[in-house]
Amino acid sequence: NAGVTQTPKFRVLKTGQSMTLLCAQDMNHEYMYWYRQDPGMGLRLIHYSVGEGTTAKGEVPDGYNVSRLKKQNFLLGLESAAPSQTSVYFCASSLDRVVNEQFFGPGTRLTVL
Amino acid sequence: EDQVTQSPEALRLQEGESSSLNCSYTVSGLRGLFWYRQDPGKGPEFLFTLYSAGEEKEKERLKATLTKKESFLHITAPKPEDSATYLCAVQARRGDYKLSFGAGTTVTVRA
Repeated sequence: NAGVTQTPKFRVLKTGQSMTLLCAQDMNHEYMYWYRQDPGMGLRLIHYSVGEGTTAKGEVPDGYNVSRLKKQNFLLGLESAAPSQTSVYFCASSLDRVVNEQFFGPGTRLTVL
Repeated sequence: EDQVTQSPEALRLQEGESSSLNCSYTVSGLRGLFWYRQDPGKGPEFLFTLYSAGEEKEKERLKATLTKKESFLHITAPKPEDSATYLCAVQARRGDYKLSFGAGTTVTVRA
């Protein structure tokens, strides 16, 4: 099992450009999450999904959109990137609400110039 | 709002020098407290879940304990490979699924 994978690993964007980050999990988990991690701050939840076809806002959703068309995939989109979105993005998944140990991907380092 | 505070921010240890990391939390009804390890440039790796005060869990040189206000991660006789950032997170009993994370404690173990 690959667990949770993320593509790409690194990306540099110019202000105003758009991009999509892809997360895939092969553990048949129901729940998936997108976090951002900034120096000196804890992981902050951007959006999450409790099942195929569902999405919900987390703590810092502005400027991001998500989609979960297939159970194993969770996409994070930036429509018009801003320098404030420079960060490391992590995807995670968990089996369900009762067993909420979250398993994380390796991260995507995004720089917006 | 749930709050998680970890201390110290950084900890430098000599190999074999045992120590403890602290995670203080404020949450309206705790469902679970989670510990993760994060190596540089990698995603967090799950270590433990604690559910109720008095509970303890161990894994190799790590032992996590939980009270009603805080959790401790004890590192016994650490080795250089224990160097990492340790993250604490809490989940509340209410209906959302969010984990609230602390900023982490970076542990460096010198040989």
